[in-house]
Amino acid sequence: EDQVTQSPEALRLQEGESSSLNCSYTVSGLRGLFWYRQDPGKGPEFLFTLYSAGEEKEKERLKATLTKKESFLHITAPKPEDSATYLCAVQAGAQKLVFGQGTRLTINP
Amino acid sequence: GAVVSQHPSWVICKSGTSVKIECRSLDFQATTMFWYRQFPKQSLMLMATSNEGSKATYEQGVEKDKFLINHASLTLSTLTVTSAHPEDSSFYICSDVRREQETQYFGPGTRLLVL
Repeated sequence: EDQVTQSPEALRLQEGESSSLNCSYTVSGLRGLFWYRQDPGKGPEFLFTLYSAGEEKEKERLKATLTKKESFLHITAPKPEDSATYLCAVQAGAQKLVFGQGTRLTINP
Repeated sequence: GAVVSQHPSWVICKSGTSVKIECRSLDFQATTMFWYRQFPKQSLMLMATSNEGSKATYEQGVEKDKFLINHASLTLSTLTVTSAHPEDSSFYICSDVRREQETQYFGPGTRLLVL
């Protein structure tokens, strides 16, 4: 059974304090790993897609990396507006996504 | 800007009534759309896959007669919660699949409260 586990469940950082979020997965035949950002009461907002081990993608203060077993979302010098829940999902087949539980990130000014 | 819209954004109804939620794919002809449900502080759970011109495919444990899905056009899928009960109160989110990168883009969600 395809499974996605995110850690930590919640993370509090001071503004400017860099850190990483983890997404561990077990899937038969990974077709893609996706990162989304979700603000309270809103739908997920697409951030990145990673397809193969060793791949990296960047967007502003965020960088996503992928290995054969896990993905990291690195956040560099975060700002309060980066506070959100970050969701990781894997696609194994038939376009279906399996989501992790998310990491609630809070950046204090 | 937004690529998927939902209507309404929130709805309150009495127990036993039916509620229809619309999901529109903007600037794209989506042959496949997805419906998810999200309970407070939990992640998204896939309910069903909506296929244009054919029957929806439901995930295990999701009652197809309770959650009616219609995908009558390439830009519109609807989810009808029939005979809603308080336990159906949740945040319902739809998505479409853009062929490039097979990426799902999500709507803003519909919050349903059944009294």
